[in-house]
Amino acid sequence: SQTIHQWPATLVQPVGSPLSLECTVEGTSNPNLYWYRQAAGRGLQLLFYSVGIGQISSEVPQNLSASRPQDRQFILSSKKLLLSDSGFYLCAWALPGGRHYGYTFGSGTRLTVV
Amino acid sequence: GENVEQHPSTLSVQEGDSAVIKCTYSDSASNYFPWYKQELGKRPQLIIDIRSNVGEKKDQRIAVTLNKTAKHFSLHITETQPEDSAVYFCAAPLFMEYGNKLVFGAGTILRVKS
Repeated sequence: SQTIHQWPATLVQPVGSPLSLECTVEGTSNPNLYWYRQAAGRGLQLLFYSVGIGQISSEVPQNLSASRPQDRQFILSSKKLLLSDSGFYLCAWALPGGRHYGYTFGSGTRLTVV
Repeated sequence: GENVEQHPSTLSVQEGDSAVIKCTYSDSASNYFPWYKQELGKRPQLIIDIRSNVGEKKDQRIAVTLNKTAKHFSLHITETQPEDSAVYFCAAPLFMEYGNKLVFGAGTILRVKS
């Protein structure tokens, strides 16, 4: 069966510090991968998605970036965090191909920038 | 592109009553409609989905209906229980050159009063 791992679970970082969040998927090949952010009490904002190694599509211009160095690994990064980067970050995966399947979300990282 | 609107934003019901959440979508090519439940501090989890070749799907106390002509779909929860209290998100797919993504509604906060 497929599983998705996301870490860390919580993170408190000072303004201006770098960020690296990691997500890995097991039990499937060539998944579609997604990074979402959720501000407190708000909806799900898509940040990045990827359909293969080295392919990244950005949804929202900001000081975040994403990379996919391996088939089942997705990394969210920032060189300098802003207060507005605080939120609940969720990684998700879906089966590839034209027939759409629902996402499975990771357990999330709660980031607080202070 | 796809636009998904969700109503109501908050819903309070008495335990045992029914709850209905409605969503509309704009892209007539959309063919898959999932519903997610997010409990406080946790990841969204898929609770039910429907494909465009059926009009209704049921799973115990939960059902989803789809009206392709009107481009709307609804989540029905019968005999609500306190553990149904959560935020519910509907979604519809957007197909793009590189992969596809889900467009989420803004969410509905459901409170079940005991």
